[in-house]
Amino acid sequence: QVQLVESGGGVVQPGRSLRLSCVASAFTFSTYSMHWVRQAPGKGLEWVAIISHDGSQKYYVDSVKGRFTISRDNSKNTLYLQINSLRAEDTAMYFCARDRIVQWFGDAFDIWGHGTMVTVSS
Amino acid sequence: EIVLTQSPGTLSLSPGERATLSCRASQSVGTNYLAWYQQKPGQPPRLLIYGTSSRATGIPDRFSGSGSGTDFTLTISRLEPADFAVYYCQQYGSFTITFGQGTRLEIK
Repeated sequence: QVQLVESGGGVVQPGRSLRLSCVASAFTFSTYSMHWVRQAPGKGLEWVAIISHDGSQKYYVDSVKGRFTISRDNSKNTLYLQINSLRAEDTAMYFCARDRIVQWFGDAFDIWGHGTMVTVSS
Repeated sequence: EIVLTQSPGTLSLSPGERATLSCRASQSVGTNYLAWYQQKPGQPPRLLIYGTSSRATGIPDRFSGSGSGTDFTLTISRLEPADFAVYYCQQYGSFTITFGQGTRLEIK
């Protein structure tokens, strides 16, 4: 079935870097824009970034600009999030999610992964 | 950035009752690109409504969305036990996508 599976989370010291991955299956990954969304423990959802189906367009929430980089490898059906200079406030569950419409840029999110937890702590 | 404010923060109702959840935007949401999600503990969000009023695949017609401009509503006509969860609205009418802070729907 259509699925997204995230990995790469863990406990990381402040200031270090981490790369999250999201592997897609059972759909044509290269035709959908993709997103990262995070959720701090006990808190609400925060959209983080979007990348277009071909990787040519990217947008970020202001709070992560300059530290986070979204990318994708369509040959591997994989979405990435590079997180640099980690801070305590980056502690959250990170979800990847799919745009609802093929070859659109910025729609509702119809498929979500189960998330990977990032904990920033010394 | 468009700020979404959801009310109430918590809604206490009984199964069979009608739930009305509100989402107010700080500025008009472009082309009514407003969605609603349901999230249960330990699970990712699930898309319920997109484009203000269109139900996502597999969503029962007990769920309905309405509104325009800056004021939007999610209505659940007859609550079932599985409906008690946290609900988020989301606007995707601008390149900076934002979510509301959520409404917790709890069993009275």
